[in-house]
Amino acid sequence: RKEVEQDPGPFNVPEGATVAFNCTYSNSASQSFFWYRQDCRKEPKLLMSVYSSGNEDGRFTAQLNRASQYISLLIRDSKLSDSATYLCVANSNSGYALNFGKGTSLLVTP
Amino acid sequence: GAVVSQHPSWVICKSGTSVKIECRSLDFQATTMFWYRQFPKQSLMLMATSNEGSKATYEQGVEKDKFLINHASLTLSTLTVTSAHPEDSSFYICSAMEPNANIQYFGAGTRLSVL
Repeated sequence: RKEVEQDPGPFNVPEGATVAFNCTYSNSASQSFFWYRQDCRKEPKLLMSVYSSGNEDGRFTAQLNRASQYISLLIRDSKLSDSATYLCVANSNSGYALNFGKGTSLLVTP
Repeated sequence: GAVVSQHPSWVICKSGTSVKIECRSLDFQATTMFWYRQFPKQSLMLMATSNEGSKATYEQGVEKDKFLINHASLTLSTLTVTSAHPEDSSFYICSAMEPNANIQYFGAGTRLSVL
């Protein structure tokens, strides 16, 4: 079983829509969680960290449920530029090393 | 913000040759860097953790004699793919941990094609 699992999509949504991505992680010892964004053939870029209390950054809201080992990302008012692959990430047993999900592909259309 | 530079961005080589990839942290010192590999439509997979001044820690299934890692200074880690073969063709990405921030910054990646 992969350490981080997420629905690969693709999610095709119109501009202005709200879209939610979900992810589960299997390592209960993980302490740090992130959402990264990866554009085609580029390196991942940090979108936001995820905290137990939930956190928001503009149109993006991330939630963490430790009991069910579940992470979510909500994007409101989608823009064309949000089209990318969103990677759910949890740190591994060895501390700082990261385990990446396979990514969820989002396409925002006009 | 923190910047990690990775070089080269693209390599095409013949089977059997060795390829060196450099990863530099440009505005912070990184005692720990990481090397990942990503095959098409797959997730990034951690290959090894590079520790300044000591031996790298390799993930299960990654051959340390084939993927040589040297972290000789606080700003530079290198990955050498020795005797590369077509199955080593992949997107190799490094990251560096910014001290006290618990955030990894990624290099732009190196696309390796072995003919």
